[in-house]
Amino acid sequence: QITLKESGPTLVKPTQTLTLTCAFSGFSLTTSGVGVGWIRQPPTKALEWLALIYWDGAERYSPSLKSRLTITKDTSKSQVVLTMTNMDPVDTSIYYCAHRNAVYGDLDYWGQGTLVTVSS
Amino acid sequence: QAGLTQPPSVSKGLRQTATLTCTGNSNNVGNQGAAWLQQHQGHPPKLLSYRGNNRPSGISERFSASGSGNTASLTITGLQPEDEADYYCSAWDSSLSAWVFGGGTKLTVL
Repeated sequence: QITLKESGPTLVKPTQTLTLTCAFSGFSLTTSGVGVGWIRQPPTKALEWLALIYWDGAERYSPSLKSRLTITKDTSKSQVVLTMTNMDPVDTSIYYCAHRNAVYGDLDYWGQGTLVTVSS
Repeated sequence: QAGLTQPPSVSKGLRQTATLTCTGNSNNVGNQGAAWLQQHQGHPPKLLSYRGNNRPSGISERFSASGSGNTASLTITGLQPEDEADYYCSAWDSSLSAWVFGGGTKLTVL
């Protein structure tokens, strides 16, 4: 079955760069149509999409955060990495990674999420 | 920030039917429809319906999605206490080349 798990620091200081890793199993990121995305959710607020990487290496980013984000994949390790620069307290959120379904194109399997707090 | 519009809250009685709405535009919902996710407090979102109103395996038939123009709907029949959760819609916006989410609807089962 498909599983995803996020990992990374729980606390970062303002202006630092955040690096999160999504380790997945049950699918291959070399399969046509498959992708892995990142989504975040500030405490008690709505979901916000951040980035997506496709099986062919194409990347898509939230227009409002594009200048701060980089998404990469390591298919041999079954991992996707998201970096976000210049972190601010407003970036405090639960960060999720999710599997993009190759047929329907939607994010159908989600990790448990990891809480990242930005504070000095 | 939410790109799709959902009512903040809906309350319905036990065993009643709730219909949640999600409004976008011709670049997102009106183009390929919306997916629906359910999120219980303290848990990650769970997909209830793909765009095109297809239910993933294991999702109850009590959840059904539909759409008309720029508005998508999720209908939940025979409401149960465990249906009390936040519900989000999502869609791909072809003009932004980005996923957009709704602000979420908190469903209360009375």
